[in-house]
Amino acid sequence: EVQLVQSGAEAKKPGESLKISCKGSGYKFTSYWIGWVRQMPGKGLEWMGIIHLFDSQTKYSSSSQGQVIISADKSTATAYLQWNSLKASDTAMYYCAATRDGDFAWPDWGQGTLVTVSS
Amino acid sequence: QSALTQPRSVSGSPGQSVTISCTGTSRDVGAYNFVSWYQHRAGGAPKLLIYAVTERPSGVPDRFSGSKSGNTASLTISGLQAEDEADYYCCSFLGSFATYVFGDGTEVTVL
Repeated sequence: EVQLVQSGAEAKKPGESLKISCKGSGYKFTSYWIGWVRQMPGKGLEWMGIIHLFDSQTKYSSSSQGQVIISADKSTATAYLQWNSLKASDTAMYYCAATRDGDFAWPDWGQGTLVTVSS
Repeated sequence: QSALTQPRSVSGSPGQSVTISCTGTSRDVGAYNFVSWYQHRAGGAPKLLIYAVTERPSGVPDRFSGSKSGNTASLTISGLQAEDEADYYCCSFLGSFATYVFGDGTEVTVL
């Protein structure tokens, strides 16, 4: 059974940096894509980007390009979402999700990481 | 990439059927048979209900069904149950050089 475990909730100030993680287990993740999804308070789900765990090929949504950095460590089957300078508007729940090469839906999800950015 | 268009809310009585539409364009929903649907209950993670337009993962009740015509995909919930109250999102693949896009989300209320 595939499991995705995300890092815990974070409370940060504007301008601070942050890196949250999503660790996979239960399968050979070298053939998996990990995606990051944002849900701002009271809003819907938005794709931020996806990364391949084996070769770190990364694709960003147009709204996330240049705003965040998505990275991965295949040796630990862990994907990361990073901000260099947080804004209050980054306050949201962030989910990671996983899919295998050749699949185009996302059956496995992390529990979510709540990021709160406030002065 | 704009979100796919879904109705803000739908409702029905227990046992009834409801259908949620998901309207995109010829560059997303109309271009690929890679539309999926997710159920998202408050406080939990999204759950995959339908993939590849019509397919159900193991464990998803056959009350949930998907279809597509042109640029519009649909999710039908038959025999509505109280536990079906949740937000529902469609999602479309955008091609090999892009990511995915969700719909606006639809709140389903069981009366």
